[in-house]
This record gives sequence, C-alpha cells and structure tokens, in this order.
Amino acid sequence: KAGVTQTPRYLIKTRGQQVTLSCSPISGHRSVSWYQQTPGQGLQFLFEYFSETQRNKGNFPGRFSGRQFSNSRSEMNVSTLELGDSALYLCASSLDGGRDQPQHFGDGTRLSIL
Amino acid sequence: AQKVTQAQTEISVVEKEDVTLDCVYETRDTTYYLFWYKQPPSGELVFLIRRNSFDEQNEISGRYSWNFQKSTSSFNFTITASQVVDSAVYFCAHGSGNTGKLIFGQGTTLQVKP
Repeated sequence: KAGVTQTPRYLIKTRGQQVTLSCSPISGHRSVSWYQQTPGQGLQFLFEYFSETQRNKGNFPGRFSGRQFSNSRSEMNVSTLELGDSALYLCASSLDGGRDQPQHFGDGTRLSIL
Repeated sequence: AQKVTQAQTEISVVEKEDVTLDCVYETRDTTYYLFWYKQPPSGELVFLIRRNSFDEQNEISGRYSWNFQKSTSSFNFTITASQVVDSAVYFCAHGSGNTGKLIFGQGTTLQVKP
C-alpha cells in the first residue's frame, strides 16, 4: 500500500512569490492535514481537510490556504512568501481524521525562501 | 487548551543503554489520545504508538515500552538496549477535538553512539 506522497521534495523560492505544494494521501484516507515544521516553532498544525471541506485551521495568516479534491488529494498554497516561511511542510492522512486515528505522514516538502 | 511538553531537548547514550523519553501533557478533554512519533533524518514522521485516556495499561513492544499515568499527566517512552538506528527525533503528540489535529511537543533528539 503506497504511503503519503508529497511533491516536490525541495523547493527554492524568493520573497514575494507564491508556491503550491501537493499531497496524495494513502488510498482510502479521506482526511488530510498539513503541518509546518521549523527549528524555532517546532511542528505546528496548519489545517485539515475532509471531504473537500476545511474542517479545522491553525493559527496562520491568510496567506496560507489549501484545498482538497474529490479524490482526497490536497494542495497547499502560500502567497507572498516571506523569509520566515522557510520550513519543512508535512502532509498527513488518516481514514476520517478522528482524534483516535494515527496520522500517516509523507516525507515532506522542504521550502527555502531566498 | 492542549499542550505537550518534552523537557528533554537532547539525549545522548551509548549503544545498549536503556533510555527514557519524557512527555507531559495538559488537556481539558475528558477523552483524548496520545501518540509517539519518530522522525529519522529523512524527515518522515513515523507513527510508533497510540494510547487513549481511559486505558492506562502500559505496553511493551519489542525493545519499546510506554508508561502512561493519568495522575501525573505523563506518557513516557523507553527504549531498552538502544541501537544506533534508534537515533532520531522523537515527538509526543495529543489528539485534539474531533478532527485530525495533533498538538506536538518540541521533540527530543536522541543520539545513540556506537
């Protein structure tokens, strides 16, 4: 069974640009969550999607957005990039996002802002 | 609000030593779930164990064991006879609400030296 797939693995952007990251969940999983990992702030929850609807959102500015498609694949978009957006962005999936369910994570996309 | 604290930032041991990683949590939920994840240098978070709040039975799985105590709000993780391959960052997490949101601790970096 294929795991969570995130593309691209690495990305270099400059300030002011925008970026889109992609996540394909494990087959059959309908919940997709996104996390940002930085050395200073650790792992922080960005948002969760279930059945194409954003169900929960972390404390991030509106520059961070996402969406989920009917096949459960998800994309995350960051507009007007700032230096502080440099981070490892992790996507996780679970069957339906219940708090009892382990989240299965992808390898992440490492975003560097110059 | 939920909070997870891993007071140990870094631990260094010599191979075959036993090591315990500490996790203390704060929650207002009456029913909740706790998790341990491992993050090797490759970046992917690997699920290790889940424990629910109404089951305080401790668990052993091979060289890994977990000690959950509601009275002290702790969920500690022990590796017996550590190996070099155990070197990684270990995260404790709390499952929050009815969605796939995880609250992570800051992580403990474990280095096992040969």
